[in-house]
Amino acid sequence: GAVVSQHPSWVICKSGTSVKIECRSLDFQATTMFWYRQFPKQSLMLMATSNEGSKATYEQGVEKDKFLINHASLTLSTLTVTSAHPEDSSFYICSASFQENIQYFGAGTRLSVL
Amino acid sequence: QKEVEQDPGPLSVPEGAIVSLNCTYSNSAFQYFMWYRQYSRKGPELLMYTYSSGNKEDGRFTAQVDKSSKYISLFIRDSQPSDSATYLCAMSGGGSNYKLTFGKGTLLTVNP
Repeated sequence: GAVVSQHPSWVICKSGTSVKIECRSLDFQATTMFWYRQFPKQSLMLMATSNEGSKATYEQGVEKDKFLINHASLTLSTLTVTSAHPEDSSFYICSASFQENIQYFGAGTRLSVL
Repeated sequence: QKEVEQDPGPLSVPEGAIVSLNCTYSNSAFQYFMWYRQYSRKGPELLMYTYSSGNKEDGRFTAQVDKSSKYISLFIRDSQPSDSATYLCAMSGGGSNYKLTFGKGTLLTVNP
């Protein structure tokens, strides 16, 4: 149980284009979903927290206009990286929670911006 | 002082060894304690979680929490090459304070 699916696993895009990453909880309804970014050999950095039907809460320093988060249902959240640039290249990971404080993670998306 | 300290390793052990992974923390408000395993280029996988102090066992894995010392441990018995990964400790404060604070992760290699 507690499976989180993230798609795509790897995306390559041209500079200036937008990329959408999907995160789905497959066997539970997620009260809260989270988006993280991870640089090589570093721990996870929380970008934003979202609850179904409400605006996401972004961490300090994260540009909300660049990283658009939509949490349309209790099983789906999306992260759109708008006007992507090479410095946005990174590993993005979502997680979902139905039990307070316990997060289940997706497999991650590797974004490469050329 | 960082909120969560974790020795990054790397830690290399022979197959069958008992592995001990540890984290210390400074925030006494933490109530939930988790261990995640992360393979290269994959998302973290939840191994164990514990609420408050105590021990929890699941197969070859044992998690211990000592809140009085602000110290948590993960033991892996009969380690296997497939256990080779980065192990992240994580903790949160409970209630509405649901954000996870992670350690930096310990890279473990189990040699056949």
